Amino acid sequence: SQQGEEDPQALSIQEGENATMNCSYKTSINNLQWYRQNSGRGLVHLILIRSNEREKHSGRLRVTLDTSKKSSSLLITASRAADTASYFCACGTSGTYKYIFGTGTRLKVLA
Amino acid sequence: EAGVVQSPRYKIIEKKQPVAFWCNPISGHNTLYWYLQNLGQGPELLIRYENEEAVDDSQLPKDRFSAERLKGVDSTLKIQPAELGDSAVYLCASSPFRGDYNEQFFGPGTRLTVL
Repeated sequence: SQQGEEDPQALSIQEGENATMNCSYKTSINNLQWYRQNSGRGLVHLILIRSNEREKHSGRLRVTLDTSKKSSSLLITASRAADTASYFCACGTSGTYKYIFGTGTRLKVLA
Repeated sequence: EAGVVQSPRYKIIEKKQPVAFWCNPISGHNTLYWYLQNLGQGPELLIRYENEEAVDDSQLPKDRFSAERLKGVDSTLKIQPAELGDSAVYLCASSPFRGDYNEQFFGPGTRLTVL
């Protein structure tokens, strides 16, 4: 079963605009990761946020985590055509050392 | 540094035939994962290894799927016999250490089509 549910399922924006995607999860986590998957390729790790963190930045990426609402968001600023990909959240539960991935958001950035 | 290597990249077989996938993780990575990814879905864990020990195989359909990681390095995932519903992408990933904050490095995957 999938722990995380991403919203929206698909998103289409113009180059230069910001893209926001959300992840909601069901059980308590100790960290959450975001991954990107380009068409037909493996997943690439983007950023990890721990349960005691509320916000994290990496380049044009900004991740927030609200453990009270069991949700996280990924913001990509000043999007580029190369950002076109599927984005997945992966929820890590303490002590299990495994991650359960969400259903993904398919982002399309139009040039 | 070489990434996670998987082979073959594509495999087409007829139902009831056996199939095997191979994965070579990043050197020094003790943790190895096999995932199944259906079209339009996120990866689902099949099995996780710590060195040569399978520490989580609860999601592996053991009636037809098997896996091994001899010597704690490369790994093989086998399906015998394959069914139509096994058509998917099989992803291998590795992590450098055992802990709660593991970044996973993924291979390109093997796309399996069962006819």
